[in-house]
Amino acid sequence: EVQLVESGGGLVQPGGSLRLSCAASGFTFSSYWMHWVRQAPGKGLVWVSRINNDGSSTRYADSVKGRFTISRDNAKNTLYLQMNSLRAEDTAVYYCARDPSAAGGWFDPWGQGTLVTVSS
Amino acid sequence: DIQMTQSPSSLSASVGDRVTITCRASQSISSFLNWYQQTPGKAPKLLIYAASSLQSGVPSRFSGSGSGTDFTLTISSLQPEDFATYYCQQSYSTPYSFGQGTKLEIK
Repeated sequence: EVQLVESGGGLVQPGGSLRLSCAASGFTFSSYWMHWVRQAPGKGLVWVSRINNDGSSTRYADSVKGRFTISRDNAKNTLYLQMNSLRAEDTAVYYCARDPSAAGGWFDPWGQGTLVTVSS
Repeated sequence: DIQMTQSPSSLSASVGDRVTITCRASQSISSFLNWYQQTPGKAPKLLIYAASSLQSGVPSRFSGSGSGTDFTLTISSLQPEDFATYYCQQSYSTPYSFGQGTKLEIK
């Protein structure tokens, strides 16, 4: 079964840092592009970042560029999102998702999400 | 950046109804348009990719159409489990973007 499981969320103060992880199983992780998508409480979906299969290419939403870094460890079947200089507006559930088409840009499956709360 | 606009934002319908949700892109995105369903507290689920391709395991009552800037998601006969929020998403270029969502409620 293809599965993605996020972890690492929690409460952090403004200006703080957090690293999210996404453990993949049930498929050849190193063959797929991966994404992070977030959803603020009661709001819609917002794409955050993507990484290609070997980690050599990344893209970011303008709202996180320079503060967030996406990476992956294909040996550990794990995707990461390092989040620095966190702001209240970064409060959201963060989902990792696989791009099943390698570059088609759609997301399937999604993990269950991990909640990040930025507050003092 | 490409803006995606869905209409309506909310919709009331009954079991058995035929429902159509519209998504418009701020510029042409060819067929790089995907649809998701989200129920409260759950992760989104892919329904349709590349405008009209039905994701494996998704019931055939769901269909997608369109190209360029205008797209539709149609549910041919609503079932109780279809009451959810639906999002379109463009994958033509990064930053990828979603519509604001359409909440489908029971009448």
